[in-house]
Amino acid sequence: GDSVTQMEGPVTLSEEAFLTINCTYTATGYPSLFWYVQYPGEGLQLLLKATKADDKGSNKGFEATYRKETTSFHLEKGSVQVSDSAVYFCALSDGGAGNMLTFGGGTRLMVKP
Amino acid sequence: DAGVIQSPRHEVTEMGQEVTLRCKPISGHNSLFWYRQTMMRGLELLIYFNNNVPIDDSGMPEDRFSAKMPNASFSTLKIQPSEPRDSAVYFCASSFATGGGQPQHFGDGTRLSIL
Repeated sequence: GDSVTQMEGPVTLSEEAFLTINCTYTATGYPSLFWYVQYPGEGLQLLLKATKADDKGSNKGFEATYRKETTSFHLEKGSVQVSDSAVYFCALSDGGAGNMLTFGGGTRLMVKP
Repeated sequence: DAGVIQSPRHEVTEMGQEVTLRCKPISGHNSLFWYRQTMMRGLELLIYFNNNVPIDDSGMPEDRFSAKMPNASFSTLKIQPSEPRDSAVYFCASSFATGGGQPQHFGDGTRLSIL
């Protein structure tokens, strides 16, 4: 079946540092890939997505590129802020009925001033 | 546009009591999902509906849990009787299912505490 693997956290960075959160997946066919962010006390919010190989999703300074050859969708940001502290989830949809998502375990990011 | 609306935001009750969680999906969405999130088990899919019909309830923990979607704009998740191990944050999400590429949109969740 489908699966998503994320690097375990927490990831602790200083403000303005470069961020990479690794995500790899296993799926049949050509899934769509997503990054969600969850701030404390809130639900998951879509951060960015990519629907085909070599697509780059971007939002709020975050980027991720759909790499089919390495089955990866790593999240990057050039300069993190304290307000980016949250839990980040990588997910895939294989296009089946209902748009079911398969989630990774989440990576907690802590940014210190 | 209004997002997914869940109620109540917080619920504290004693074990053995019936608990009902409510969800209003985004208008026009035809898929609805119920999730549970705990520190120990992370985010778990409990059940999902497509066009108001339950498609996969394999994630429902046991018979104490039930979910309904009587129409396209309302769903409930019921726990009867509740137990302390049911304490968690329960999320509802909705999506416009077109065969892939469309994200799920989450509500802010119901934080449930069973004493």
